[in-house]
Amino acid sequence: QVQLMESGGAVVQPGRSLRLSCAASGFRFSSFAMHWVRQAPGKGLEWVAVLRYDGSDKYYADSVKGRFTVSRDNSKNVLFLQMNSLRIEDTALYHCSKGRGYSSSSDGLDVWGQGTMVTVSS
Amino acid sequence: QSAVTQPPSASGTPGQRVTISCSGSSSNIGNNYVYWYQHLPGTAPKLLVYRSNQRPSGVPDRFSGSKSGTSASLAISGLRSEDEADYYCAAWDDRLSAWVFGGGTKLTVL
Repeated sequence: QVQLMESGGAVVQPGRSLRLSCAASGFRFSSFAMHWVRQAPGKGLEWVAVLRYDGSDKYYADSVKGRFTVSRDNSKNVLFLQMNSLRIEDTALYHCSKGRGYSSSSDGLDVWGQGTMVTVSS
Repeated sequence: QSAVTQPPSASGTPGQRVTISCSGSSSNIGNNYVYWYQHLPGTAPKLLVYRSNQRPSGVPDRFSGSKSGTSASLAISGLRSEDEADYYCAAWDDRLSAWVFGGGTKLTVL
């Protein structure tokens, strides 16, 4: 079955960088768009970024634009989120999610991972 | 302020039917499909409805989605204690070029 396993979460200081990974299995990774969604403590779900199946199209939430970069390695079935210039308000549980189709902007989010925690604190 | 809004809470007794609303605009719900997710904190969110009114296999038919204009709703019939969770709607926003989630509705089964 579809499995998504996030890793890379840590406690980091404001202004530092961190890279998250999401290992996918159980489906043809190279055929589906992939998303990152986060949930800050006590808050709701906030969509972060999406990457088209072939990496040719990507979109970001305004709150992370210019600081975060989403990428993928279709040969290794892994999704990444490079997070630079981290802020305290980036503290959250970060989930990766499989898109229902190949497109970045249609078909929605399908299966989700359990998430990896990022804490930004001085 | 999210581009799509949900009531923060809803409640019902076992066996009842409850409805959760999701209000947006012409750039999101009015022109795109709506998706609904069930989330128990600390776990992976689960897709309940896709393309506004379609259920993935394995989701009970007690859950149903609908859309009209710039609003959508999720109905849960035959309410059960295990339905107590947070529920989120989501849609693509053409103006923002981003996916937008509602703030979530906490459903309590009394």
